[in-house]
Amino acid sequence: DAGVIQSPRHEVTEMGQEVTLRCKPISGHNSLFWYRQTMMRGLELLIYFNNNVPIDDSGMPEDRFSAKMPNASFSTLKIQPSEPRDSAVYFCASSLPASGAGNQPQHFGDGTRLSIL
Amino acid sequence: EDKVVQSPLSLVVHEGDTVTLNCSYEVTNFRSLLWYKQEKKAPTFLFMLTSSGIEKKSGRLSSILDKKELFSILNITATQTGDSAIYLCAGIGTYKYIFGTGTRLKVLA
Repeated sequence: DAGVIQSPRHEVTEMGQEVTLRCKPISGHNSLFWYRQTMMRGLELLIYFNNNVPIDDSGMPEDRFSAKMPNASFSTLKIQPSEPRDSAVYFCASSLPASGAGNQPQHFGDGTRLSIL
Repeated sequence: EDKVVQSPLSLVVHEGDTVTLNCSYEVTNFRSLLWYKQEKKAPTFLFMLTSSGIEKKSGRLSSILDKKELFSILNITATQTGDSAIYLCAGIGTYKYIFGTGTRLKVLA
């Protein structure tokens, strides 16, 4: 069974350019999460979708960041314009619907390593 | 503000040693605590703890949750070099997953 698929695996671009990261969640998972990981701040939740609807985007650092989920099998995270401080590994994760006993564990993609020069 | 704090930040041990990793949490509407292992790429799921005092085990790894004192521990016995990784814990609230910054474990041969 395919896991969470992210693309590209690596992205190197110059500041000011638009960057689009892509994610395909595991089939049947209705929750999707975008995270950013850095050495200094660890894993930070950027935005969370449930049934394709953004539920909480309070972690999105600023207006330069946007995320969409047009359907259950695809999501994008866009940075426009990009800045060097956006350099990080960006993870997408998905999970099954929450059960009554508690939330479900998340399954992570391999991440996109983004470098903004 | 919700937060998850892990300790120690890093740890170096020799093969065969036993290690205990700590995770304390303050999460609104807490539901569960998760442990992940992160090697070179994606964090991989280890345990999900919902009830206090019930130990979960998987091979040489075990974990337990204390909901009164708001912490969890992850034990690894007879460590191997393959256990070298970053271990992350996350507290789950209503829908938020709050991750700690992780414990970086290095196991020397």
